[in-house]
Amino acid sequence: AQTVTQSQPEMSVQEAETVTLSCTYDTSESDYYLFWYKQPPSRQMILVIRQEAYKQQNATENRFSVNFQKAAKSFSLKISDSQLGDAAMYFCAYRREETSGSRLTFGEGTQLTVNP
Amino acid sequence: NAGVTQTPKFQVLKTGQSMTLQCAQDMNHEYMSWYRQDPGMGLRLIHYSVGAGITDQGEVPNGYNVSRSTTEDFPLRLLSAAPSQTSVYFCASSRGGWGTPMNTEAFFGQGTRLTVV
Repeated sequence: AQTVTQSQPEMSVQEAETVTLSCTYDTSESDYYLFWYKQPPSRQMILVIRQEAYKQQNATENRFSVNFQKAAKSFSLKISDSQLGDAAMYFCAYRREETSGSRLTFGEGTQLTVNP
Repeated sequence: NAGVTQTPKFQVLKTGQSMTLQCAQDMNHEYMSWYRQDPGMGLRLIHYSVGAGITDQGEVPNGYNVSRSTTEDFPLRLLSAAPSQTSVYFCASSRGGWGTPMNTEAFFGQGTRLTVV
């Protein structure tokens, strides 16, 4: 079974600085997708960024970028120029193709605090 | 376009009571799923459906039933509520089936906070 691990239950960063959230995963598949979701206090799950396993180029979305290391099965999220609105729970998630659908497997989450 | 709508947003149940959490989506998505979120455990899959009339168990199915009579609706039933089912429940939907790109975004409802006393 696939597992996703986020080893940092909590992280904090000063406003305008950079923070990196860690995620590792375990799979025997060669083709899959990885995602980072943000969950602010409103509980809404918001897709932040996604990465295709067969693409070596790291995905980037504005201030959010990933460091994808396929051999190491690592998928970290870097937030640059942190803003107060970035404060949230962040979840790493994994998806592979299946005959019966494409389920997401989530990590435990990292609670990010942004200090003014 | 409402997306994924969950009701209710909050619920308190007594042990042994039954209830149904409602989930509806208006995006004509084939794939729908239910997750529960517990502190330190992320979101865990309870049940999922790949289309009307087709459901299957996820990681933590015990104590829950689902059915999918229409594409739009995917209710989750708690048969006899237990304190261990105190959690936040999320419904999600996405396009699905063979040929659907794996990068397809899953859309989530706003969650139901359930407390069983």
